[in-house]
Amino acid sequence: AQSVAQPEDQVNVAEGNPLTVKCTYSVSGNPYLFWYVQYPNRGLQFLLKYITGDNLVKGSYGFEAEFNKSQTSFHLKKPSALVSDSALYFCAVRDISNAGNMLTFGGGTRLMVKP
Amino acid sequence: DSGVTQTPKHLITATGQRVTLRCSPRSGDLSVYWYQQSLDQGLQFLIQYYNGEERAKGNILERFSAQQFPDLHSELNLSSLELGDSALYFCASSVGVGQTSYNSPLHFGNGTRLTVT
Repeated sequence: AQSVAQPEDQVNVAEGNPLTVKCTYSVSGNPYLFWYVQYPNRGLQFLLKYITGDNLVKGSYGFEAEFNKSQTSFHLKKPSALVSDSALYFCAVRDISNAGNMLTFGGGTRLMVKP
Repeated sequence: DSGVTQTPKHLITATGQRVTLRCSPRSGDLSVYWYQQSLDQGLQFLIQYYNGEERAKGNILERFSAQQFPDLHSELNLSSLELGDSALYFCASSVGVGQTSYNSPLHFGNGTRLTVT
C-alpha cells in the first residue's frame, strides 16, 4: 500500500528565513506525489506535484519541492517565508494499487511563520 | 476558487439522526472523492465515484453511503449519527481514472462541518 509520513507536527520559522516541511513516502512502483496547503476553514489547495523529470519541482506561491528517490523523500521548501504562509501543509501520494486513484495523505504539518 | 461546491457549510444535528451532504464537482471532472477530516485522524479517504459508478472504497462506515448522479453531483449520506462522526467532510474532484489521470491533482471544496450533539 502507498503511504506518506510527515514527521513534524509543527514547524516554526521566522519571516524571511528559508523553510522546509518534510515528507517521506512508501510506494510500489513510480511515485506520484503532491503537496497541498489548508488555511483555516478552507479546503485543501493544490501547491505542486512530482510525476517524473526534474527532482526540483516548482509550484504556487513561491513553493518548491525536492524529490529524492534514494531517501524516498519529497520535502517542501521556500527560500523566504512569509507570515501569510502560516497554514497546515499536507503531503500526499496517489494510490494506484486498485481501480481508484485517490490520494493518501500524511498527517499534516502546521507551519508557523513569526514576524 | 477550486470550482468544487459543497453544501451546506455547517450542519448541527443530534445523535441518531441522518444527514445528507452535497457536492458539485468542477466542470469537466468525472471523479468525485469524499474525505473525512477529524482532529485525531487527519484526512481519511471514504469513497470514490467515477461517472456514476463506485470506484474505490476506503474507511467508510456501514452507516455511511454515497452516490453520484447523472449530472455528476454527489451526495454523502450519514445515518445513525454518533458524537464521533463530528468532523469536516470534504468532497474533491478530478478529471478521471486510469494511468492518464495519475498526474492530475484533486480539487477540494471548502467542506461541510458536521457537529453531532
